[in-house]
Amino acid sequence: SQKIEQNSEALNIQEGKTATLTCNYTNYSPAYLQWYRQDPGRGPVFLLLIRENEKEKRKERLKVTFDTTLKQSLFHITASQPADSATYLCALDPDRGSTLGRLYFGRGTQLTVWP
Amino acid sequence: EPEVTQTPSHQVTQMGQEVILRCVPISNHLYFYWYRQILGQKVEFLVSFYNNEISEKSEIFDDQFSVERPDGSNFTLKIRSTKLEDSAMYFCASRGGLTTDTQYFGPGTRLTVL
Repeated sequence: SQKIEQNSEALNIQEGKTATLTCNYTNYSPAYLQWYRQDPGRGPVFLLLIRENEKEKRKERLKVTFDTTLKQSLFHITASQPADSATYLCALDPDRGSTLGRLYFGRGTQLTVWP
Repeated sequence: EPEVTQTPSHQVTQMGQEVILRCVPISNHLYFYWYRQILGQKVEFLVSFYNNEISEKSEIFDDQFSVERPDGSNFTLKIRSTKLEDSAMYFCASRGGLTTDTQYFGPGTRLTVL
């Protein structure tokens, strides 16, 4: 069966540390993965997109990797801050780069950064 | 910065009633989507819309659902006869075009069916 799994439902880390979130998928061959941030009661906010031919992508304190052999993406937040506390969602395109563009999401990982 | 907007933010309705959820996608975007998220669960794809017609729909999107782009700016989701299990957050999203894959989501409409 097809699955998108994000490592744990909750991750608690101390301010200043690096948070690492995992997204694993099975029986998909996505052309890209997207990471979103979601705050309670709000819509997903786009953070980063990484394509299958890109091993790594960075944006400020954020870094995403994509390993198509392992079928895994890692999302890192360096020098984490309490304001980074939110749920982080992994999403992929089940239609492999089709123009349709629908996204399938994982359940998300709730990150809490404590002072 | 352009953003997707949705109205209302919260809609309460009685079971069996019709509801229309409204969205204004980002101007000049070409692809439009509706997703829903039941409380505590993952975001689920409902339907995609391009060139004034449905491109793809999920199993959830049955005959009770319909979408429309009545003018150049609005994109609506109608549920004809709401059920208790339709209670969820409904998100609209838009995407620029063939060369852009990023989808931008609205803040959502919380639908409560009593």
